[in-house]
Amino acid sequence: NAGVTQTPKFRILKIGQSMTLQCTQDMNHNYMYWYRQDPGMGLKLIYYSVGAGITDKGEVPNGYNVSRSTTEDFPLRLELAAPSQTSVYFCASSQGTAREQYFGPGTRLTVT
Amino acid sequence: EDQVTQSPEALRLQEGESSSLNCSYTVSGLRGLFWYRQDPGKGPEFLFTLYSAGEEKEKERLKATLTKKESFLHITAPKPEDSATYLCAVEIDYKLSFGAGTTVTVRA
Repeated sequence: NAGVTQTPKFRILKIGQSMTLQCTQDMNHNYMYWYRQDPGMGLKLIYYSVGAGITDKGEVPNGYNVSRSTTEDFPLRLELAAPSQTSVYFCASSQGTAREQYFGPGTRLTVT
Repeated sequence: EDQVTQSPEALRLQEGESSSLNCSYTVSGLRGLFWYRQDPGKGPEFLFTLYSAGEEKEKERLKATLTKKESFLHITAPKPEDSATYLCAVEIDYKLSFGAGTTVTVRA
């Protein structure tokens, strides 16, 4: 099993550009999450999903969108990139509720 | 307001020098407290879950304990490979709220 995979690993965006961060898990987990991590700060929840077709906002959803059309995939979309979205983004999945979450390797995004 | 605070921010240890990390929380009705390890450039890796005061979990040189207001992660006789950032999180409304982490550096 690959676990949770994320692409790309690194990306530089110009202000106003759009992009999609990809996340795929092969553990048949129902729950999936997107976090951002800034230096010296804890992980902040952006969006989460409890199953295909069901998504909900986390703590810091502004500027992001998600969709969950399959159990395996949970892409995160940035529509109009801003410097405040410079961060490391982690996708995670779990079997039930918050419980033991499995994290991907992260995407380091810089917006200039 | 629900909150998770970790201390210290950074900890430098000599190999074999045992120490403890603290995670204090203010959550009404704790459903679970989680410890994760994060290596530089990687995603967090699950270590332990604690559910009730008095509970303890161990894994190699790590032992996590829980009281009604805080959790401790004890590192016994650490080795350089224990160097990492240790994150704690509490479950709030079926989601995790993370502390900022403690970065541990163990020198040989």
